[in-house]
Formats: sequence, structure tokens, C-alpha cells
Amino acid sequence: NAGVMQNPRHLVRRRGQEARLRCSPMKGHSHVYWYRQLPEEGLKFMVYLQKENIIDESGMPKERFSAEFPKEGPSILRIQQVVRGDSAAYFCASSPREGTNWETQYFGPGTRLLVL
Amino acid sequence: EDQVTQSPEALRLQEGESSSLNCSYTVSGLRGLFWYRQDPGKGPEFLFTLYSAGEEKEKERLKATLTKKESFLHITAPKPEDSATYLCAVHEGGGFKTIFGAGTRLFVKA
Repeated sequence: NAGVMQNPRHLVRRRGQEARLRCSPMKGHSHVYWYRQLPEEGLKFMVYLQKENIIDESGMPKERFSAEFPKEGPSILRIQQVVRGDSAAYFCASSPREGTNWETQYFGPGTRLLVL
Repeated sequence: EDQVTQSPEALRLQEGESSSLNCSYTVSGLRGLFWYRQDPGKGPEFLFTLYSAGEEKEKERLKATLTKKESFLHITAPKPEDSATYLCAVHEGGGFKTIFGAGTRLFVKA
């Protein structure tokens, strides 16, 4: 049973470029969360999505950041016109939203974004 | 404002020296408290979910407990491989946001 998959694992971008981070949830999970972790800091919630629907984006920066989870394919976190402050580890988690541990989130290995 | 505070920030133990990590929280309507383990360069690994005060869960050398204001992660006779950062998180009542604490870095020396 494959876990949450994220790619790429490492991404280097120059200031002003776009970054696209992908997340495939665990099999049978239809809900995805995105988090950002800055060096020496905790995980910060960004957005919660289910298929074709953004449920809660209260943690997303107002500009340059967007997320989607289409009917087919992975969830994508998109960062336009990246700046050095966007350098961080971005984690995706999925949850089953049913069964005993329906709210438990299972995390992927993360994408480490470095902006030069 | 909903908050999760973990203490201590770092804990150094000798192998076999039992101890506890604390997670105190303020949230309106707790819908779940979660413990995770995170190794350097990796994603958090799920350990436990607790839903109500008085609940306890165990896994190998770890035991998690929950009260109305805090949770403890007890580590019995730790081994060097237990060295990691332990994260506590709560699900915000009435919403979908999950709030993580800053973590406790545990170092176990052989």
C-alpha cells in the first residue's frame, strides 16, 4: 500500500520563476492538506482540499500561491514569481475522512524548495 | 487564539532513562490531538490520535495520554533509535485547520 507521494523531492528555482509541487494521496484518500515548514520552525497549515474543491485556504498567502486537486491526477501547489523567502520544505498529507481514524493525516516525504 | 505549546524544546536522555514530553493546547472544541515523529529530512510519521480526556494509547516504548488541557508522550526505556523530533497537533474545532506545536527534539545517547 503506497504512502503519500510527493515530487519533486528537491526543486531549485531562481527568483521570479514558478514552482509546481505535486502530491499523490494514499490510495482511497480523497482529502489533501498542504503545509510549509521553514528551517527550525514548526509545520504551518496552508490549505485543505478535496477532489475539485478547496475546503479551507485560510493559511495560504494572499498572493502568488494557489492549490488545486483535480478529479484526475495529483494535487498541485503552485507558487508564482518565487522569492527567497519561499525557500522551505513543503509537505502534503492525506486523510481518509472515514473509518476509525478518519481525521488522521498521513504525510509525504516533502519537497524541499530552494530559491536562488 | 488556538495554540499548541510543546515542552521541553529539547531533551537529552541516556538509553533506558524514561521521561515524558508535554503538549499543552488551547482550542475551541477539540476534534482530535495527534502525535507524530519526524526524522531529519523526512515527513512526519503518524504515531497516535486521541479524541477525549482520559484516553490512552500505546505503541512499543511510547504511551500517549490526554487531559482537557494537555497531552503527554511517555517514553519508557528509550533507545538511540528513538532520537527524533516529536510533534503534537490539534484539529481546530469548527474548522479544518490543524495546528502544530514547534516540537520536542529528543536525543537518546547509548
